[in-house]
Amino acid sequence: GAGVSQSPSNKVTEKGKDVELRCDPISGHTALYWYRQRLGQGLEFLIYFQGNSAPDKSGLPSDRFSAERTGESVSTLTIQRTQQEDSAVYLCASSHIDRTYEQYFGPGTRLTVT
Amino acid sequence: AQKVTQAQTEISVVEKEDVTLDCVYETRDTTYYLFWYKQPPSGELVFLIRRNSFDEQNEISGRYSWNFQKSTSSFNFTITASQVVDSAVYFCALSDAGTYKYIFGTGTRLKVLA
Repeated sequence: GAGVSQSPSNKVTEKGKDVELRCDPISGHTALYWYRQRLGQGLEFLIYFQGNSAPDKSGLPSDRFSAERTGESVSTLTIQRTQQEDSAVYLCASSHIDRTYEQYFGPGTRLTVT
Repeated sequence: AQKVTQAQTEISVVEKEDVTLDCVYETRDTTYYLFWYKQPPSGELVFLIRRNSFDEQNEISGRYSWNFQKSTSSFNFTITASQVVDSAVYFCALSDAGTYKYIFGTGTRLKVLA
C-alpha cells in the first residue's frame, strides 16, 4: 500500500509483559515519528528518526520505552514491563526529508494493558 | 513554551449547518507552521491543511475554510454545509520552523447528525 502501516492494530497484554509495535513508513520517507495518544487526548511526541542520524528520544516517557529503526525502513517501538498507564493508541508517522512539516500517519496500534 | 488549545471538546450539529472549530496557539517563534488533521472513527489521522506563519490569507477548499489571525493567535476551521461524513475528531497542531515536533491540541469531536 501507499500509506503508513502499523501492526498489530490491537494488542491486549498483561501488566508486566513486554510488547513490540511495528511501523512501516511510506516508501522514500526518511523521517519517522512515534506518538502516543491517550484516550480523549491529543498526540504526544515520543521519538523521531531521520535517516542514519541519532534519533531524538526526548519524548520517551521512561526507560521502559525504546525504539529502533533499521536504515530508512521499518521501526519497532518496544515497551518493557508494561503498566496500565501505557494503555493508549500508538501512532506512527513518516515524512519526506524535504517536507518534515508534513507528516503522514498510520492507523495506529491500540494497546490495552490489563 | 508552545501550546495549542482547542477549547471545544465536543460539538454536535445537524446536517447542512455550518460549524467552526476553534484553535488558539502559543509560541515564541516568529516562524512556525499550523496544521489541521481529521481523525475519523477508523483512527487514521488525515492531513487537511498546513499554513505557515507568514501567510495570513484565508484558504478555502470546497466546504472547508480556514481563518488564520496572528493578532489573536488563532487558526479556526469552518465546515460549511456539514455532512454526516464530517463526523470525526479534529486536531489542530503547531510546529516551529526547523523542528519536526508537532504540538497537538486535545482535539474537538464533531458529531453531524442526519
